[in-house]
Amino acid sequence: GEDVEQSLFLSVREGDSSVINCTYTDSSSTYLYWYKQEPGAGLQLLTYIFSNMDMKQDQRLTVLLNKKDKHLSLRIADTQTGDSAIYFCAEKRNTDKLIFGTGTRLQVFP
Amino acid sequence: ETGVTQTPRHLVMGMTNKKSLKCEQHLGHNAMYWYKQSAKKPLELMFVYNFKEQTENNSVPSRFSPECPNSSHLFLHLHTLQPEDSALYLCASSQDPGDSNQPQHFGDGTRLSIL
Repeated sequence: GEDVEQSLFLSVREGDSSVINCTYTDSSSTYLYWYKQEPGAGLQLLTYIFSNMDMKQDQRLTVLLNKKDKHLSLRIADTQTGDSAIYFCAEKRNTDKLIFGTGTRLQVFP
Repeated sequence: ETGVTQTPRHLVMGMTNKKSLKCEQHLGHNAMYWYKQSAKKPLELMFVYNFKEQTENNSVPSRFSPECPNSSHLFLHLHTLQPEDSALYLCASSQDPGDSNQPQHFGDGTRLSIL
């Protein structure tokens, strides 16, 4: 099918690492993205990875890509309360079409 | 960030009203997009404009009518909407949709409620 799948909820303690997972379906996808949506706001681009890469690190964020299994993950180190939000993965197909997952709601508790 | 600005932020309208959503981007991008975000559903692409030309209409009902007068402005004209059209409508822009390296940048959306 066309679905990009994510688990709906993740709850972590402040200071721990968070890992948000995503599976996609199109092996020809060129770029995969992670967006963050805070309450009442639009989607903020966090990071993206090209499909020929396995890993990308950007400060507290680490993206891992397993192209064989079509699995993408976002690891947030030292999670803070300000990281509480909904996280969307998206795959880029064809030229300009982005297919989004349903989003994972991350809740960080003290 | 004020790269992509959407107005109004909130809109309540009856089913017989006509209203318009506005999006403006200050990023010098050439492509603009309308998305619909409903509760518990993935983000749905509605329309794509590239250099002011519509390149994608994702089977959107005709009660939604987009307009792109230039590469910086995008409108969504609404008329005779249904309650199921209540959602967050997000606008996005990108440099060049044909270049996969260019991500889409989103506005904060218009929260639309149909009475």
